[in-house]
Amino acid sequence: KAGVTQTPRYLIKTRGQQVTLSCSPISGHRSVSWYQQTPGQGLQFLFEYFSETQRNKGNFPGRFSGRQFSNSRSEMNVSTLELGDSALYLCASSMGQFPAYEQYFGPGTRLTVT
Amino acid sequence: GNSVTQMEGPVTLSEEAFLTINCTYTATGYPSLFWYVQYPGEGLQLLLKATKADDKGSNKGFEATYRKETTSFHLEKGSVQVSDSAVYFCALTGDTGNQFYFGTGTSLTVIP
Repeated sequence: KAGVTQTPRYLIKTRGQQVTLSCSPISGHRSVSWYQQTPGQGLQFLFEYFSETQRNKGNFPGRFSGRQFSNSRSEMNVSTLELGDSALYLCASSMGQFPAYEQYFGPGTRLTVT
Repeated sequence: GNSVTQMEGPVTLSEEAFLTINCTYTATGYPSLFWYVQYPGEGLQLLLKATKADDKGSNKGFEATYRKETTSFHLEKGSVQVSDSAVYFCALTGDTGNQFYFGTGTSLTVIP
C-alpha cells in the first residue's frame, strides 16, 4: 500500500500571501489530521476531517482552514501568512474508527515564510 | 482533559545501553496509547501501540506496557543501536479517536 503523500515538500512564501498544502491519505483511510510542528511548540493539532466533515479543531486562528474531498484527499489553506507560520506541516491518515485509530504520517511540507 | 507528559531530553546513550523514556498521561475514559518515532528530515512513524490496560506493545526490540494504575506508558529497549537515534513521541487518543495528543518528544542520540 502506498503511504501518505504530501505536496509540495518544500515551499517558500512571502508574508501576506496565502498557501495551499495537499495530502493524499492511505487508500481506505477516511480520517485525515493536520499538525504544525515547530522547534519551540512541538506538534500542535490543527484539525481532523472524517468523511468530508471536520470532526475536531485545534486552537489556531481562522486563517488556517481545511477541507476534505470525497476521495479522502485533504487540503489545508493558510491565508495572510505570518513569519510565525514557518513550520513543518504534517498530515496523518487513519481509519478513524475504533480500534484502528493509529495515525500514519506523511513526510511533511516544510513552509518557510519570509 | 487529555494530555501527555514525556521526560525531558535530550538523552545520550552508548550503543548497547538500556533505554527508558518515561511517559505519563491524563485522560478521560479509556484512551489508546502510542509511541511514534521521527528520524531526521522525516515524518512520524508508528512504533508501537496499546489499546487497553495491561496491553504490551512491541516492535523492533522496543516495548511499552499500558499501566492504568500509574497512568504510564514507558518506552524501553534492552540494547540500543546507533540507528535508534531519533526523536520519540508518546501519544494518546481518547474514546472517539478524533484527536491525538502528543508529548513534546524526547531526542535520543546513541553513540558508538
